[in-house]
Order: sequence, then C-alpha cells, then structure tokens
Amino acid sequence: GAVVSQHPSWVICKSGTSVKIECRSLDFQATTMFWYRQFPKQSLMLMATSNEGSKATYEQGVEKDKFLINHASLTLSTLTVTSAHPEDSSFYICSARERGAMGQNTEAFFGQGTRLTVV
Amino acid sequence: DAKTTQPTSMDCAEGRAANLPCNHSTISGNEYVYWYRQIHSQGPQYIIHGLKNNETNEMASLIITEDRKSSTLILPHATLRDTAVYYCIVRVAWSGGSNYKLTFGKGTLLTVNP
Repeated sequence: GAVVSQHPSWVICKSGTSVKIECRSLDFQATTMFWYRQFPKQSLMLMATSNEGSKATYEQGVEKDKFLINHASLTLSTLTVTSAHPEDSSFYICSARERGAMGQNTEAFFGQGTRLTVV
Repeated sequence: DAKTTQPTSMDCAEGRAANLPCNHSTISGNEYVYWYRQIHSQGPQYIIHGLKNNETNEMASLIITEDRKSSTLILPHATLRDTAVYYCIVRVAWSGGSNYKLTFGKGTLLTVNP
C-alpha cells in the first residue's frame, strides 16, 4: 500500500508553546488529507479534512484557530497545535487519500501517528 | 454513512482462523464496507474493502452477506502480530467532492493467544 509518513513520532512541549506536525504522502499525490485525534482507550476522532490549496473543514467542536491546518502541496499537510495545554496531550494521526479518477473508490492510508505530551 | 456494530473483543488461538463479524443493517446500495486495524500506538492500517462480492487479498478475506446487512473479516492463520483493534466502516464511494470521511467506531479488540 501507499506510504504516509508523519513527523515527529513523538514530541514533548511546554504549556503555552506551539507544535507543528507534518504529514507526507511519500509515493502518491493526496488531494485530501485528514487529521484525527485519539485519546487513551478511545477511538479515532476526526478533527478536520483538508484539500490541497483550500481551507480545511473542521469538525464540530474543533477550534480552527487552535489547530491550524495547512495543505500547501499534494504531498504535504501540517497540523499546528497553538498555545498547547496539557489537555491537548493526545495521539494525532493523519490520513491521506490517493487521488483517483472520478468515481474511482480509492482507499485512505494512515501515518504512524504523533504522540504529543504537553507538560 | 451507515453505522456498524462489532463485538467489543474476541480471542483467537495462534494459527487458527480469526472471524470478525460486523453488522451494518442500514447500509445503502452505494456504500462500501471497509476494514482497518490499529495495532497499539500505531496508525490504522488498511486491510480490505468490498461492495457486494467477497474479496480476498494477501492479508484477509471479506465475506459480505447477500443482503449486505453484515460481513465477516477472516484472517486465515492468525499470528501474535495480528493482535489489534479491528474497525469495520461503511461509507459511500468517492463522489468527487470533499465529503470522503472515515468515521471510526469502537472496533473489536482481537487478541491472538499463543
């Protein structure tokens, strides 16, 4: 399957600072990328959907000013957690869907996740 | 997208087949059945998907009932490395818009025992 790479795999930051997480599709073009958050013992919760070259669409309850998403190219999307607080500590996962022909039902591939700990 | 129902947990002996059920009684005609799994502290891994025909790949087989209201993921020879949470998701095919989303439920924790 296609490869999606996230960086960093884990990060520890101080409360009040900002953290940027990168998501790259290594061997395919991804017109759409998704960002998820997963708290311990819970399922993945979709935070936002981003399409290359346009603004991200955030799920209800997700603060767009706090979780800045940039999808500047077909292979890179970034999530910046601004003014992080301990309650933002979580496992953040990106997903990229390969561009397909109209009507082609391609699957989505996931990065390995980023463990964020805010102290 | 249609909701799915999966058992919370299952156990399987190493080397035996693991059969993971999923109910999706409200599935629509244009919705696919997807299976992903998540090994602890990793991102989800795509396994297989299908519409109405049974599907098989190098990882697993997907059996969809004729009325499409349920399906079973089969891992033919489970290994310890198959211990993971398995998610069954149904959704429509990509229509060209930006509404492609995978909504994860709680999944089934499959534990493969030695």
